[in-house]
Amino acid sequence: DIQMTQSPPYVSASVGDTVTIACRASQGISKWLAWFQQRPGRAPKILISAASILQSGVPSRFSGSGSGTEFTLTISSLQPEDFATYFCQQGDRFPFTFGQGTRLEI
Amino acid sequence: QVQLEQSGDEVKKTGDSVKVSCKASGYAFSVYYLHWVRQSPRNGLQWMGWINPNTGDTKFAQNFQGRVTMTRDVSVKTAYLDLSRLTLDDTAIYYCARAGDWNDLDSWGQGTLVTVSS
Repeated sequence: DIQMTQSPPYVSASVGDTVTIACRASQGISKWLAWFQQRPGRAPKILISAASILQSGVPSRFSGSGSGTEFTLTISSLQPEDFATYFCQQGDRFPFTFGQGTRLEI
Repeated sequence: QVQLEQSGDEVKKTGDSVKVSCKASGYAFSVYYLHWVRQSPRNGLQWMGWINPNTGDTKFAQNFQGRVTMTRDVSVKTAYLDLSRLTLDDTAIYYCARAGDWNDLDSWGQGTLVTVSS
């Protein structure tokens, strides 16, 4: 199985800051990487597909980049509603696998 | 809009089986694969498998082979997850999720908490 490693596990930031979350795959996955946001008690919500495609309705302050084994999610000008947990997911091959999550805290 | 409505929370004993349903609306049910993913503090997010609602074909993660069944009823636009021989480690929130266009999961159900006790 492809292992997905996210870093850091926690990040502390303030409203207006820019944060970057990294996701590394144990083997090359081309562009098949998605990012999700999960708020407490809620299901994950997709933000970005294919490493860099912003899903409809997702604010443009979210952006993704990378290919192969190294990927990043950047959130600029943090808003109060952005404080949540973020996950990456590889879709290159089954089984789909997820990172352990990055908790973004105030 | 796409909606996936799951059945209610369940409490089970070790060795029991559980069946979770996922009713789809707002899109053509037969066109998009449906995946099942579970989440627990110990194991994080775990992909369990998918079902092709059009054909009924399924694919499961190795970890669940022999214990999991996925079915669907096209007439009511509902998919089902059956997990048997439950252990304490199966305590988790179970989600159904629709396959997106980019090898991802673009819409999720609200989740069903399955609690297994001895």
